[in-house]
Amino acid sequence: GDSVTQMEGPVTLSEEACLTINCTYTATGYPSLFWYVQYPGEGLQLLLKATKADDKGSNKGFEATYRKETTSFHLEKGSVQVSDSAVYFCALDLTGNQFYFGTGTSLTVIP
Amino acid sequence: DGGITQSPKYLFRKEGQNVTLSCEQNLNHDAMYWYRQDPGQGLRLIYYSQIVNDFQKGDIAEGYSVSREKKESFPLTVTSAQKNPTAFYLCASSIAGDSQPQHFGDGTRLSIL
Repeated sequence: GDSVTQMEGPVTLSEEACLTINCTYTATGYPSLFWYVQYPGEGLQLLLKATKADDKGSNKGFEATYRKETTSFHLEKGSVQVSDSAVYFCALDLTGNQFYFGTGTSLTVIP
Repeated sequence: DGGITQSPKYLFRKEGQNVTLSCEQNLNHDAMYWYRQDPGQGLRLIYYSQIVNDFQKGDIAEGYSVSREKKESFPLTVTSAQKNPTAFYLCASSIAGDSQPQHFGDGTRLSIL
C-alpha cells in the first residue's frame, strides 16, 4: 500500500551544521509530497511541497527535491539554527482525500 | 492497540446544517488538533487543545467550533457559517511538551450536498 518512510530521530546538531532528513515513499499513482514542521507547543505547519517529479520545494532555507526515480523527498538545509529545533514530518497526498505521514523526526540544534 | 479514531470516513450533509466530526484517542495524549486539507494546499490548522477544557484557534477557525470536555475526545463542529466546508478533515494528538510528534487519525471526508 501507499506509505511514507522517514528517517528516525532524534537528531542533534550543532548550530551551522548541515541537515539531511531522509524520506522515501511508496505510492501507486503520482503523489504530491510535503514536509511539515511542528514547533514546540504548536500545530503542524507546512514547510514546503512539490507536486510533480523533479520539482524542488524550498522555504526558510530548507529544500527538498521530488525524485521519482528513487521515490525520495529528502529534506536538506545547509546551515541549521537553534530556531530550527522542531519535529519534521514527511507526507504524501495521492488524491486530495488521504494523507500518509511519516513518523516524524525530532531535531534539536544546540548553540 | 492505541490510536486515534475518526468517524465516519465519509460524511454528507445538506447545506445550512451543522455537522459534528468525531475524534477519539486512547493514547492518553494531552494535546489534540484538527486540520483541514484542500487539494494542493496541504494541511491547515483549525483548532488545537493542549489540555482538557482549554482550546485555541488555529489559522482558519472561522465557521468551526470545538469542545474538550474529556481528554480522549475532541469533536469538531462545522457550522453553517463555514462558507466552503467540503474538505478532508484530519485529527491528531500528541503528548504534551516539546518535540513530541503527533499521531494522526485516518481522516473524514466531508461533502456538502
